[in-house]
Amino acid sequence: EDKVVQSPLSLVVHEGDTVTLNCSYEVTNFRSLLWYKQEKKAPTFLFMLTSSGIEKKSGRLSSILDKKELFSILNITATQTGDSAIYLCRQGAQKLVFGQGTRLTINP
Amino acid sequence: NAGVTQTPKFQVLKTGQSMTLQCAQDMNHEYMSWYRQDPGMGLRLIHYSVGAGITDQGEVPNGYNVSRSTTEDFPLRLLSAAPSQTSVYFCASSYSRAGRSSYEQYFGPGTRLTVT
Repeated sequence: EDKVVQSPLSLVVHEGDTVTLNCSYEVTNFRSLLWYKQEKKAPTFLFMLTSSGIEKKSGRLSSILDKKELFSILNITATQTGDSAIYLCRQGAQKLVFGQGTRLTINP
Repeated sequence: NAGVTQTPKFQVLKTGQSMTLQCAQDMNHEYMSWYRQDPGMGLRLIHYSVGAGITDQGEVPNGYNVSRSTTEDFPLRLLSAAPSQTSVYFCASSYSRAGRSSYEQYFGPGTRLTVT
């Protein structure tokens, strides 16, 4: 069965630090891996990754996929308090399954 | 476009009561899904649908029923509410091809359900 595992589950850093969030997956027919950010309400879309080794970037956030080793990372540089959120990754093509999420807290 | 709408926003039920959470989307998406999110947890898939008349079970389907009579609507029914179903429920929709969706999901605002 398709499975997504995120690590760490929780991370507390100081403003200005760089963080790396991990997402590993087991899936029978890979299509894409997606990252979402969830603050107080519904998740909002960050990135969709379909090809290995190609970095997606948006401002201070970037993500890359390794299809051979079955994982993805989400990097956030120069973190700000507004980056505090739960970060979720999603896998699957028919059953769209999320990982447990990483709760990121940025302290001023 | 309203996107994905959910009603109600909040609901309190007594154990054993039944209710239906409503979800509608106006983006003509074939693929729709229901998730629950417990405190400090990720999203767990309850049921999903790849088109009108077609539904299937997700990771945690017990205690919930769904139906999909139109493309727009995907209601979730709790047959006999239990305290373990206290959670936040999210409905989502996405574009799909041939019953598969590897695309971005659009989420509704969520329904916060408490079962006492």
